[in-house]
Amino acid sequence: DTGVSQNPRHKITKRGQNVTFRCDPISEHNRLYWYRQTLGQGPEFLTYFQNEAQLEKSRLLSDRFSAERPKGSFSTLEIQRTEQGDSAMYLCASSPGRISGNTIYFGEGSWLTVV
Amino acid sequence: TQLLEQSPQFLSIQEGENLTVYCNSSSVFSSLQWYRQEPGEGPVLLVTVVTGGEVKKLKRLTFQFGDARKDSSLHITAAQPGDTGLYLCAGARGGSNYKLTFGKGTLLTVNP
Repeated sequence: DTGVSQNPRHKITKRGQNVTFRCDPISEHNRLYWYRQTLGQGPEFLTYFQNEAQLEKSRLLSDRFSAERPKGSFSTLEIQRTEQGDSAMYLCASSPGRISGNTIYFGEGSWLTVV
Repeated sequence: TQLLEQSPQFLSIQEGENLTVYCNSSSVFSSLQWYRQEPGEGPVLLVTVVTGGEVKKLKRLTFQFGDARKDSSLHITAAQPGDTGLYLCAGARGGSNYKLTFGKGTLLTVNP
């Protein structure tokens, strides 16, 4: 399977703990994205990378959130000192980065439940 | 303020019926994508439209992008239970084609 891969798929953590999610994009896609989706809502943009450079961060991404893409391939999203409001599905996506018709492909998501 | 409004929010129909769902905005989009999402899974891309007035067909699904690139519709012919899911539209604007703005989706249930 050559789609976007995310792990873990599910994570239950206690409030205050740190969690890290990993994303492996479609090979040769130079753009990688993180989105967050809560129940009853569409996904919301968090951040995006062009190769290893993080080019934009949403205001939704507080100081407790950090994302990296060290070698321009896989990416990690870390949430420090988790809060109950962080409970959501975290979606990774990738795209080839064309100027026209930049189709974005999503992974299966990582569900976070903070208790 | 929701940039992309989807309607209806919920739709429950019988197998074999036809349906149309809508995605509307006051903003112009450079491209628009439709996704289908099942519970607990990520969105799966159905189609990308980039040209005003464009119509794309995917088996029983017909997608249309408005002439002004502000709205779109998805029409399903002879719906089947396997079509059940959340249909999301997402638009990219101008120079920010790397960032999608999603609607809240239309939750479709097709009853056998």
